[in-house]
Amino acid sequence: DAGITQSPRHKVTETGTPVTLRCHQTENHRYMYWYRQDPGHGLRLIHYSYGVKDTDKGEVSDGYSVSRSKTEDFLLTLESATSSQTSVYFCAIEDTGELFFGEGSRLTVL
Amino acid sequence: QKEVEQNSGPLSVPEGAIASLNCTYSDRGSQSFFWYRQYSGKSPELIMFIYSNGDKEDGRFTAQLNKASQYVSLLIRDSQPSDSATYLCAVTDTGRRALTFGSGTRLQVQP
Repeated sequence: DAGITQSPRHKVTETGTPVTLRCHQTENHRYMYWYRQDPGHGLRLIHYSYGVKDTDKGEVSDGYSVSRSKTEDFLLTLESATSSQTSVYFCAIEDTGELFFGEGSRLTVL
Repeated sequence: QKEVEQNSGPLSVPEGAIASLNCTYSDRGSQSFFWYRQYSGKSPELIMFIYSNGDKEDGRFTAQLNKASQYVSLLIRDSQPSDSATYLCAVTDTGRRALTFGSGTRLQVQP
């Protein structure tokens, strides 16, 4: 157990509303990641963080922002959700070169 | 655009057979290679990693790497119905400390 908790685990929202997903870790890992997973696309990197207030974009960052004000929390925000952002979102931490994933957050945008 | 390619499957094998899963990648600078297993509705879990050319064995699993051909494979010996899952290949990015994933191969082991 890598000590990763994602919340909420399921969310249904409407187009145009803001949404924040939270990833919480208990083991003080420096690197944290947000991926999304869609059928036929595998896992695609949205944003990642290499320390408090240090973040960078992944390959599908448009429409998403992140924040990391504490080592243990990495927040993913959709400022104005769109139907194309319906997906399963996975948070991950890196431990000695290996990624360990949270249980995922399923987001549906109507 | 760095790419990791996998056949989506499904790959169907009988119980007890060898399952062979393949992956190619485009980034010649990638140094580390991973295989994740993902059951339906669950999160990916790491089953193997390999850094050097050649074979690496762990129980019923063998990872094979050929950097010259930009090719990684995973062999599962004595396949069991419990091995039925999607297998994701992942490689390190040279430009950042992150993994690029393939879209996965769905394996079905028939009892």
